[in-house]
Amino acid sequence: ETGVTQTPRHLVMGMTNKKSLKCEQHLGHNAMYWYKQSAKKPLELMFVYSLEERVENNSVPSRFSPECPNSSHLFLHLHTLQPEDSALYLCASSHGTASSYEQYFGPGTRLTVT
Amino acid sequence: AQSVTQLDSQVPVFEEAPVELRCNYSSSVSVYLFWYVQYPNQGLQLLLKYLSGSTLVKGINGFEAEFNKSQTSFHLRKPSVHISDTAEYFCAVTPGDSSYKLIFGSGTRLLVRP
Repeated sequence: ETGVTQTPRHLVMGMTNKKSLKCEQHLGHNAMYWYKQSAKKPLELMFVYSLEERVENNSVPSRFSPECPNSSHLFLHLHTLQPEDSALYLCASSHGTASSYEQYFGPGTRLTVT
Repeated sequence: AQSVTQLDSQVPVFEEAPVELRCNYSSSVSVYLFWYVQYPNQGLQLLLKYLSGSTLVKGINGFEAEFNKSQTSFHLRKPSVHISDTAEYFCAVTPGDSSYKLIFGSGTRLLVRP
């Protein structure tokens, strides 16, 4: 595997379910990100981890819970979601958190909440 | 707060014609600027970035962009498009003060017709 991978690619879940999204980067990067991409809206930064420590929680509801066990893996745990949480969730990584570093994106997980 | 405006939500163009995708940002401080492309069912891929130096930046796939500080613009251009360039294009900006926060525009869908 190369680059940034995300699993699953598609997920349908009910509002009472608990599920997790997984992201893995094979680039040796130290920073990882979760973004939400909704139709007709700009990408929204949700969480940022640098060296496995969370450095940003962008006013995200507590029904989204991130976890970064090491610099290569990032999870997004989901529980009691709402239909408006349906979106494409993108993971990204970069060498560091300085603004000059390019962010590399995974293909995303298309989440549908029913 | 910084913002990015992509004035055109969709740009239809015929194959082999030139194209310009417009991007304006609001900032009174130095910024880094990026253009990303998103093909269907894929994540975002960096086309090009401006950090400093020459205001004309060349990227992958024949794209280039020009940084205009006085007009706070960073328009993307290609002299001759291909069908394969059909995709969503996102302009993004970060403050040049070590912030990792990428602020994205809402995207422009480039539709190349034969």
